[in-house]
Amino acid sequence: TQLLEQSPQFLSIQEGENLTVYCNSSSVFSSLQWYRQEPGEGPVLLVTVVTGGEVKKLKRLTFQFGDARKDSSLHITAAQTGDTGLYLCAGARSNFNKFYFGSGTKLNVKP
Amino acid sequence: DTEVTQTPKHLVMGMTNKKSLKCEQHMGHRAMYWYKQKAKKPPELMFVYSYEKLSINESVPSRFSPECPNSSLLNLHLHALQPEDSALYLCASSPSGRGGEKLFFGSGTQLSVL
Repeated sequence: TQLLEQSPQFLSIQEGENLTVYCNSSSVFSSLQWYRQEPGEGPVLLVTVVTGGEVKKLKRLTFQFGDARKDSSLHITAAQTGDTGLYLCAGARSNFNKFYFGSGTKLNVKP
Repeated sequence: DTEVTQTPKHLVMGMTNKKSLKCEQHMGHRAMYWYKQKAKKPPELMFVYSYEKLSINESVPSRFSPECPNSSLLNLHLHALQPEDSALYLCASSPSGRGGEKLFFGSGTQLSVL
């Protein structure tokens, strides 16, 4: 059983479309991170959110941490082929850097 | 230098072999991690070293033996593995191991156990 569930599991869209990926849990997290992983590589951090209700923007990517710190979303505006990859959320439940990874969302952006 | 370097990139071993995976970082980070990632699954935490001491062992079988010789190096010694241990093994580091820190991942070692 995953502590963090992501949806959708797979997403295939055309370039220029918008999309949202969700990361949900019944547990409260002290911080939550989003990573992007390409095949044969390790995950690369996109953002860390620590405050309930926090919204962070990274160019075309918007990240939101739920008010209760149990869930998060990643919204991509005008997706590009370079956004293709596996998106992983990861939550920490204590002050220590022990992260639990979500089930992952595999995004494919077609030209 | 903001890299975590893992060697080898690929490893094929038999069930009776002994091998080691290596991980190195020169960012001055004091927390280092081993993760295991099966195909199409998220990474699963195996071990955490903080200031060269083992601080977390996620009930990993003893056929996996971690070692942290100094603050820059992390090894994972493998012995008598099973085919189901085949996976991508990822090393990561962070500045001190406090909550919310960025994890810097290496590219991983793709391990196949025959």
